Amino acid sequence: DAGVIQSPRHEVTEMGQEVTLRCKPISGHDYLFWYRQTMMRGLELLIYFNNNVPIDDSGMPEDRFSAKMPNASFSTLKIQPSEPRDSAVYFCASSFAGQGFNEQFFGPGTRLTVL
Amino acid sequence: LAKTTQPISMDSYEGQEVNITCSHNNIATNDYITWYQQFPSQGPRFIIQGYKTKVTNEVASLFIPADRKSSTLSLPRVSLSDTAVYYCLVGADQTGANNLFFGTGTRLTVIP
Repeated sequence: DAGVIQSPRHEVTEMGQEVTLRCKPISGHDYLFWYRQTMMRGLELLIYFNNNVPIDDSGMPEDRFSAKMPNASFSTLKIQPSEPRDSAVYFCASSFAGQGFNEQFFGPGTRLTVL
Repeated sequence: LAKTTQPISMDSYEGQEVNITCSHNNIATNDYITWYQQFPSQGPRFIIQGYKTKVTNEVASLFIPADRKSSTLSLPRVSLSDTAVYYCLVGADQTGANNLFFGTGTRLTVIP
């Protein structure tokens, strides 16, 4: 298996633009997580899905952030409009019920820079 | 939400055993203890998980005392490639992913 795949790996955009981050979880996994990592705040859970259904989005910072999972093999995290404080590394992770939440498989991340 | 406390950084020479201790005084009965490793420019990677006593795998050992208020990750004979940030997490498996809190981790630097 190729592991969790994220695209793009790097994104540079200007304030006010829409940003879409993409994730393909490991085949067979039924949980998908979106995290954000910054030096100041560390690694924060934004939202997670179970069987394509959003379960908890309490970590989503603002209405500017939205996430979807239209099918078991694809998810997006959208920021509209983007702001400089959104600059961070965004990770997608997946796991399956048989191993629980605690063993998650992370993707390589998307480094977002908002100018 | 069970928080954890671990040292911000540690240094070790190659070939030595490294022990990273994590405090989790508010651990709940159904919480597990999980450790992740993160290399620069990569996502975290699961290392080991335990509930009590000792767990060992090909990468590390995890020691958990009877009161479970702390745990120690042991890395045998570290090499330069073990330089990374190590996170201790406490959470109840399968009851809510928002219970997992990564914190800032321990930055381990292995010196030649």
